Amino acid sequence: ENVLTQSPGTLSLSPGERATLSCRASQSFSNSYLAWYQQKPGQAPRLLIYGASSRATGIPDRFSGSGSGTDFTLTISRLEPEDFAVYYCQQYGNSPPWTFGQGTKVELK
Amino acid sequence: EVQLVETGGGLIQPGGSLRLSCAASGVAVNNNYMGWVRQAPGKGLEWVSVMPTSAYTYYADSVKGRFTISRDESKNTLYLQMNSLRADDTAVYYCARIGPRTKYAFDYWGRGTLVTVSS
Repeated sequence: ENVLTQSPGTLSLSPGERATLSCRASQSFSNSYLAWYQQKPGQAPRLLIYGASSRATGIPDRFSGSGSGTDFTLTISRLEPEDFAVYYCQQYGNSPPWTFGQGTKVELK
Repeated sequence: EVQLVETGGGLIQPGGSLRLSCAASGVAVNNNYMGWVRQAPGKGLEWVSVMPTSAYTYYADSVKGRFTISRDESKNTLYLQMNSLRADDTAVYYCARIGPRTKYAFDYWGRGTLVTVSS
């Protein structure tokens, strides 16, 4: 089983600052199959990034994804007030086919 | 516009059964990979089940043998039959689509339906 570990658990930042979120896999897999989601309280998750670095439809370019192998990063270049939320990474692989990380909360400092 | 609307959640006793429905519009459930993802209160996301365009189905180990995913093309609806429910099945259950070009990522989500397993 490929376990995804996200760090840090909580990131305390101010609007305008840069956010760097990490997702580390216990086993290497194709970077084509790494996605990032944003979830706000009481809402469904929203797809931000797929294929490790492709932005989903309508996602602002301040969100970017990178990485390969076992180490992946979501970067928010300049935090906007609406970006404070929980972020999850997700991979598609073998067994189980779909796995989510435990999440990183980006909170207002 | 794609819309996914889940129904069927509620309070159920341990050992009981429940069937969740996901009515889709703007997307054909039989021509897309469709699935269920759940989130226990205050916890993270957990993949539950996916039904590709073929008849094959995928299940998380935690629900295998107890949950069954299916779809009705005529109603354009995805289902999740949940049997032998346990307290740790308590969660918001989201219906979601895997986009044809999103590398197996879930691109459209419903708002979720809450299932509470408790005596």
